[in-house]
Amino acid sequence: GQNIDQPTEMTATEGAIVQINCTYQTSGFNGLFWYQQHAGEAPTFLSYNVLDGLEEKGRFSSFLSRSKGYSYLLLKELQMKDSASYLCAVTDSNYQLIWGAGTKLIIKP
Amino acid sequence: EADIYQTPRYLVIGTGKKITLECSQTMGHDKMYWYQQDPGMELHLIHYSYGVNSTEKGDLSSESTVSRIRTEHFPLTLESARPSHTSQYLCASSDTGVDGANVLTFGAGSRLTVL
Repeated sequence: GQNIDQPTEMTATEGAIVQINCTYQTSGFNGLFWYQQHAGEAPTFLSYNVLDGLEEKGRFSSFLSRSKGYSYLLLKELQMKDSASYLCAVTDSNYQLIWGAGTKLIIKP
Repeated sequence: EADIYQTPRYLVIGTGKKITLECSQTMGHDKMYWYQQDPGMELHLIHYSYGVNSTEKGDLSSESTVSRIRTEHFPLTLESARPSHTSQYLCASSDTGVDGANVLTFGAGSRLTVL
């Protein structure tokens, strides 16, 4: 079967750095997405990786290793507004999106 | 400003009622989707459409139906609601970007409670 694994919950301190990991086993690979979802709101797009390496976008960076079936989302200079769930999703060989259950990130002052 | 709109945002209804969840987008996207999401769980695709008059069922078996008569409109209908249908329903649309990414834009969601 296809599955996406990510930690259920993480806690970090305001101003710090946090890394959220995602491992995947899918039938084929055509890109990996990270979305942010605040409580009670819709997911919003953060990043997309299709080739190995690091993609940096302001305070957020996303890394991909296709050979290891692994990605991480790195958040720097954490702010209270970063408290949210972070969803990892992979596009498989049929271009269907497979979603992880999300990682709830709690930021403490 | 949201470019994809869902109504109603919240709905509480009794068992056996017929309901339609509305979804409209103003971005001209060909692809539209309906997802179901329960707290702490992954999104499950229930229906999708790649264009007018095109509809497909997703991974999650559902007793709902959809239609796509116009590009901008993708309503979801439950003929007879049951308590097991209680959930958050998210509508999304997408277009393929220059980098090949099929980025989804989501509506704010419709939270349905069936008593």
